[in-house]
Amino acid sequence: GAGVSQSPSNKVTEKGKDVELRCDPISGHTALYWYRQSLGQGLEFLIYFQGNSAPDKSGLPSDRFSAERTGGSVSTLTIQRTQQEDSAVYLCASSPGLAGWGTDTQYFGPGTRLTVL
Amino acid sequence: AQKVTQAQTEISVVEKEDVTLDCVYETRDTTYYLFWYKQPPSGELVFLIRRNSFDEQNEISGRYSWNFQKSTSSFNFTITASQVVDSAVYFCALSEAKAAGNKLTFGGGTRVLVKP
Repeated sequence: GAGVSQSPSNKVTEKGKDVELRCDPISGHTALYWYRQSLGQGLEFLIYFQGNSAPDKSGLPSDRFSAERTGGSVSTLTIQRTQQEDSAVYLCASSPGLAGWGTDTQYFGPGTRLTVL
Repeated sequence: AQKVTQAQTEISVVEKEDVTLDCVYETRDTTYYLFWYKQPPSGELVFLIRRNSFDEQNEISGRYSWNFQKSTSSFNFTITASQVVDSAVYFCALSEAKAAGNKLTFGGGTRVLVKP
């Protein structure tokens, strides 16, 4: 597709359940990022992928959060044993993946709104 | 650690007024990038501009203009002759040039409401 897509757009789950959020980056983009947007914390970085590797996982808030990327394309963010504080909009972004220098511009998807009851 | 501050949480203007959004950043790096993104009610973050730390030239794109001042660590954004479609939340962000990706540090955002 032309842009970054994410699914589902909305997810309501019960506390303690596991959820999987999916991101399809722009075709050809090797870098992929996950962010979280919540009322209390604003926009926060979670994890960065270059290809299938995750050199920077520093933003993952706990070991209940994990992510993977396969085939250098689709990425899945998994939250285990969800808690109410996990409620947020999860945003995915991709960029061409130029090495260093901050030259990449990240393009964002529409997000997945997660509500944990 | 890097930090971005957008002191204005909300600005309300009447259509055709100019509006300036402030952004102040902190970083120890000498090489970095600054960004502005727009988040309309639909929720998707839309890229507006990227500026690198070596280029302090101001930029104008249509009704949008940006003023980058390294001496005051500021990267302010002005919308001239605002329109209702400009109503959105605007985020300033900073990226440091590192080998392991270019994660963005965002400010808290400024909500702009343009009334007809």
